[in-house]
Amino acid sequence: NAGVTQTPKFQVLKTGQSMTLQCAQDMNHEYMSWYRQDPGMGLRLIHYSVGAGITDQGEVPNGYNVSRSTTEDFPLRLLSAAPSQTSVYFCASRGSHQETQYFGPGTRLLVL
Amino acid sequence: GESVGLHLPTLSVQEGDNSIINCAYSNSASDYFIWYKQESGKGPQFIIDIRSNMDKRQGQRVTVLLNKTVKHLSLQIAATQPGDSAVYFCAENTGGFKTIFGAGTRLFVKA
Repeated sequence: NAGVTQTPKFQVLKTGQSMTLQCAQDMNHEYMSWYRQDPGMGLRLIHYSVGAGITDQGEVPNGYNVSRSTTEDFPLRLLSAAPSQTSVYFCASRGSHQETQYFGPGTRLLVL
Repeated sequence: GESVGLHLPTLSVQEGDNSIINCAYSNSASDYFIWYKQESGKGPQFIIDIRSNMDKRQGQRVTVLLNKTVKHLSLQIAATQPGDSAVYFCAENTGGFKTIFGAGTRLFVKA
């Protein structure tokens, strides 16, 4: 199993550009989530999904959209990037009967 | 409000010594706690967990202690090795999908 994979590893955007961060998992996990990690702060939940076709907002959802068309994939979209979205983004997944999350390697995003 | 905090942002230990990383939480309703290890450039990795009906749990070279009276969690690493150098996060589950992460403690292991 590859576990949780994320692409790209690094990305530089200009303010106002849009992009999609990809996340995939091959563990047949129902639950998937997106976090951002900023210096000196813990991981903060952006959006999450409890299954295909179901998504919900987390703690810091503004500026981000998600969709869950399949169990495996959970892309995160930035519609109009802002410098405040410069961060490291982590995708995570877990089974519905588990409480431990498995994290991907992260995407480092710089918005100029 | 709800928070998960760490007493020390950095910890430096000699190789072979034991390490203790502390964490305070404020939500008495939290029933599940997790410690994660994050190496540079990687995602957080599960180390050990503990439920609120326990006060101690041991793994391989790691022990988690939970003191619900003072809302304190600690991670003990025995015989610390250079490969243990990383940032360690505590996290608490307050039910449902809500997990609160601490800011992290960076552990340096001196050879």
